[in-house]
Amino acid sequence: AQSVAQPEDQVNVAEGNPLTVKCTYSVSGNPYLFWYVQYPNRGLQFLLKYITGDNLVKGSYGFEAEFNKSQTSFHLKKPSALVSDSALYFCAVREGDTGGFKTIFGAGTRLFVKA
Amino acid sequence: DAGVIQSPRHEVTEMGQEVTLRCKPISGHDYLFWYRQTMMRGLELLIYFNNNVPIDDSGMPEDRFSAKMPNASFSTLKIQPSEPRDSAVYFCASSYTGGSAEAFFGQGTRLTVV
Repeated sequence: AQSVAQPEDQVNVAEGNPLTVKCTYSVSGNPYLFWYVQYPNRGLQFLLKYITGDNLVKGSYGFEAEFNKSQTSFHLKKPSALVSDSALYFCAVREGDTGGFKTIFGAGTRLFVKA
Repeated sequence: DAGVIQSPRHEVTEMGQEVTLRCKPISGHDYLFWYRQTMMRGLELLIYFNNNVPIDDSGMPEDRFSAKMPNASFSTLKIQPSEPRDSAVYFCASSYTGGSAEAFFGQGTRLTVV
């Protein structure tokens, strides 16, 4: 069965500092991995995804994520955080080979960027 | 495209009443998903459709919940009778064909059952 873990409920970072939001996953086949962001009273917005190829994936708003197969991780990163990055971030996984469209979301990590 | 459109944005109803949530997916998308978000359980997939046909409804919590997709541009999620524990934010999302495709979410319906 697919599962996603986001070990941190909250991440605090100062504006201008690098940020990392952690995600680990478990699937029986090849994973399709996604990051979404949710702002207050809004739906989730897609940030980036890993399907195959280069382990470093670049996405919207300067975010990137690194796929690490041996550690089954897909951590979200940004070199320099902005106050406007403060939001709820979700990692999601889909079993790429046979999982159809069933996507499992992590519990979410709240990011606070302090000015 | 205006994106995924959900209505109403907020719904307050009394326990025992029927509730219907509505969704218009992005034109051209052939997958539609219904999710429920709560503090306790996070984001749960309730059901998803492909080309208007329900594919997986294993996440629907009880028989009180039902979903339909009569055509490519409209879907409903109905709860009858509603209970206070159904209070949550319900999201509709759509996606184009392809296992690697990301989902586009609506703004959600905040349901409160009193």
